[in-house]
Amino acid sequence: AQRVTQPEKLLSVFKGAPVELKCNYSYSGSPELFWYVQYSRQRLQLLLRHISRESIKGFTADLNKGETSFHLKKPFAQEEDSAMYYCALSPGGYNKLIFGAGTRLAVHP
Amino acid sequence: EAGVAQSPRYKIIEKRQSVAFWCNPISGHATLYWYQQILGQGPKLLIQFQNNGVVDDSQLPKDRFSAERLKGVDSTLKIQPAKLEDSAVYLCASSLGSQGNTEAFFGQGTRLTVV
Repeated sequence: AQRVTQPEKLLSVFKGAPVELKCNYSYSGSPELFWYVQYSRQRLQLLLRHISRESIKGFTADLNKGETSFHLKKPFAQEEDSAMYYCALSPGGYNKLIFGAGTRLAVHP
Repeated sequence: EAGVAQSPRYKIIEKRQSVAFWCNPISGHATLYWYQQILGQGPKLLIQFQNNGVVDDSQLPKDRFSAERLKGVDSTLKIQPAKLEDSAVYLCASSLGSQGNTEAFFGQGTRLTVV
């Protein structure tokens, strides 16, 4: 079964603290993994994808095939990082996305 | 560039009524998706079009939901008759192609409330 699990509904941290949003997936092949973000009153948008291996807005994510995880990390959280974060998996072949339930990140001053 | 446009933004209907949503993808994007997002859950794919052909509609409740993409551009999603459990945000997204996992761009969604 193809599934994405985000175990935390809410992650609350103070500004400057490290952040790790957890994502685990279930897929028998070689998936593409993504993080999408939705800021308040804005549309869902791509944050980063594992094949790019890039850092966006200070966020990074490493695909760990052994643990089937794709956790999102940032060393120092900022208030503007407060948003809803969705981990998503794309099975090989076509671009459809299978989303997790999302984690709300709240960064307090 | 202009983003994915959806209308209406909000819709309230009674159960057993019908409703239609409209989506205009980004110009030149061959692939169009409709997702359903129920409160507290992540988006779930209902149907994927490649130009005007259906690629995946395995999770579309075909007894009440239908979608079309005439001329490979705009798309409409219809629900008839609506049930209470259809209350959700309906998201349209588009991407350049069907393979290579190109980025999907989302519209702002239509929030449907069935009472």
